[in-house]
Amino acid sequence: DVKVTQSSRYLVKRTGEKVFLECVQDMDHENMFWYRQDPGLGLRLIYFSYDVKMKEKGDIPEGYSVSREKKERFSLILESASTNQTSMYLCASSYFSLPAETQYFGPGTRLLVL
Amino acid sequence: QKEVEQDPGPLSVPEGAIVSLNCTYSNSAFQYFMWYRQYSRKGPELLMYTYSSGNKEDGRFTAQVDKSSKYISLFIRDSQPSDSATYLCAMNSLEGGYSGAGSYQLTFGKGTKLSVIP
Repeated sequence: DVKVTQSSRYLVKRTGEKVFLECVQDMDHENMFWYRQDPGLGLRLIYFSYDVKMKEKGDIPEGYSVSREKKERFSLILESASTNQTSMYLCASSYFSLPAETQYFGPGTRLLVL
Repeated sequence: QKEVEQDPGPLSVPEGAIVSLNCTYSNSAFQYFMWYRQYSRKGPELLMYTYSSGNKEDGRFTAQVDKSSKYISLFIRDSQPSDSATYLCAMNSLEGGYSGAGSYQLTFGKGTKLSVIP
C-alpha cells in the first residue's frame, strides 16, 4: 500500500512566522506535489517536483517555496505566514510512468494562521 | 470557461439508491480520468481511473467516459452511509509527452459532496 505521510495534522502559527510542512512517501515515487484545498475553490497546485532538487511552480506559488533534497521527502515552506494562507495543505506523490501518474495523497495538514 | 466543471452539490440520497456523479470538461486532449473520494478532514483517496472512452466497473462503482461529449460519470449502486464523502473527478492530458513537466499534473473538479441517509 502506498503511504504518504505529513508531519502534522493540525498547526497553528502566527502571522510572519516561518512554517515548514513536511511530506514523506514510501513508494519510491518520482513525482511529489503540494496542494492547498479551500471551500469553493477546490484543489489548487502550489508546487511539484519530478526529481530530487527539481521543482516546478504550480498555479499559486506566491508566498511559498519548496525543497526536495531526498527522493522520499518534499517540504513546503511558508517564508512569512499570512492569514490568507490558512488552509488545508495536501501532499501527493506519483510514479513517473503509466497509468496516468495517478496521485496518492497524504492525510492533509490543517494550518491556521492567526 | 473552467477546464473541469463539477456540480458541488450537496447531493443527498437514501440508502440503497443509485448515485450518479458527473464532470464535464473542455480540453479534448484529456485522456486519463480519475475519481477520488475524500472523507471529511482526510486526504483524497483514488477510487477509480479509466483511459479514454468506455466503462470500468469495480464492485458497486462504475466509471464511464464519453469523450465525444466531454463528460464523465461515476455511478454508485446500492449506496451506503459509508459512501458519504466528497467525490472529486480528475483528468490528465499528458501534454508534452511523458517527459514533459506538464504531463504530471492533474486537473481536478471542485468536488461533489454526497450524503447517503440511512
